[in-house]
Amino acid sequence: GENVEQHPSTLSVQEGDSAVIKCTYSDSASNYFPWYKQELGKRPQLIIDIRSNVGEKKDQRIAVTLNKTAKHFSLHITETQPEDSAVYFCAAPPLNQAGTALIFGKGTTLSVSS
Amino acid sequence: DTEVTQTPKHLVMGMTNKKSLKCEQHMGHRAMYWYKQKAKKPPELMFVYSYEKLSINESVPSRFSPECPNSSLLNLHLHALQPEDSALYLCASSYTSGNYYGYTFGSGTRLTVV
Repeated sequence: GENVEQHPSTLSVQEGDSAVIKCTYSDSASNYFPWYKQELGKRPQLIIDIRSNVGEKKDQRIAVTLNKTAKHFSLHITETQPEDSAVYFCAAPPLNQAGTALIFGKGTTLSVSS
Repeated sequence: DTEVTQTPKHLVMGMTNKKSLKCEQHMGHRAMYWYKQKAKKPPELMFVYSYEKLSINESVPSRFSPECPNSSLLNLHLHALQPEDSALYLCASSYTSGNYYGYTFGSGTRLTVV
């Protein structure tokens, strides 16, 4: 199946700093790359996504970049705030499944200290 | 209605019990998914339903039995579970299999097997 690798597993930053989380995927045919934020005890919430015909997408302090050649995509959070503290998951469609359910990376625990 | 509703929110069951988890959406989504999530781990795909037919079963033990009675409803029947099955069970839906628009998670059922 699809192999989605996510790094780092933990990330600690000071409030106001930027945070970058990276994911690589194995299937060059994958065409959709979302990022989810999950706070303790809550469901994963989609925060931003990108499709393979676009290289970058921004939404206020959050951006995602996609490098199809290298098969990796990254989440960038600028001007981090304590409420950004959560677990972040990247995801991609699975290999050889004609694109069905999303497969998730192992997650990054982001801690923003004030 | 832009929600995926899961009931119950919490469930405690003995190893000899039979119980069911319910998931409902009224967004017209034709693909529905069950995921299992352990603490600090990513959601792990269990089943995929596409147009009310089971399309993917990720080698899940038979003590978990999914059912899709109609396009809005997805059930997960539980029988003879083990303590290691304790987890957050998440339902998700999307417009169609392979089309990730609207990929939405429910708030989950936290299951404890005693």
